[in-house]
Amino acid sequence: EAGVVQSPRYKIIEKKQPVAFWCNPISGHNTLYWYLQNLGQGPELLIRYENEEAVDDSQLPKDRFSAERLKGVDSTLKIQPAELGDSAVYLCASSLYRNSPLHFGNGTRLTVT
Amino acid sequence: SQQGEEDPQALSIQEGENATMNCSYKTSINNLQWYRQNSGRGLVHLILIRSNEREKHSGRLRVTLDTSKKSSSLLITASRAADTASYFCATDAAENQGGKLIFGQGTELSVKP
Repeated sequence: EAGVVQSPRYKIIEKKQPVAFWCNPISGHNTLYWYLQNLGQGPELLIRYENEEAVDDSQLPKDRFSAERLKGVDSTLKIQPAELGDSAVYLCASSLYRNSPLHFGNGTRLTVT
Repeated sequence: SQQGEEDPQALSIQEGENATMNCSYKTSINNLQWYRQNSGRGLVHLILIRSNEREKHSGRLRVTLDTSKKSSSLLITASRAADTASYFCATDAAENQGGKLIFGQGTELSVKP
């Protein structure tokens, strides 16, 4: 089975520019997660979807971050405008159902200059 | 915010030795999971232990859970150089009806050949 696919792998942008990350979860996985990981830290949850519904977005900075999961499959995470502090790795994960283990993509490493 | 705290932050051992990592958490949980992350890659699920379980084995991995102390440990026996990675515990808090995994800050394991 194909794993979770994320793109791009790396992204370098100037501050105040917009940026978008894309995630294709494992086929049949209903739950999709976006995590942010700073260097040397554990992943921090940004948003969790069950099918196309965002069931937990309490940690998403809604003034500049947005996400969508159309048709309950692929998902896009957007930052507009980006700030220097947004430099991090953005990880997407999916799971078969709510309480099952997560499968992670390799992440998008964002550098904001 | 991160629920789990891991100890030690870094561990360096020789090939063939055992490695033990500890995780403490704060609230009641549905389950606790351990993940491994190689440099520049996404996290890989290792093992899940439910709140009513005390010990679980998977190959060279042994996980224990003490809900009275709100702690867990991961033991890797007969370590190999390929075990070099960061290891994270993640808790599925009972208050969230499941599915919201909160990760600790990780233990960086280095296994020297």
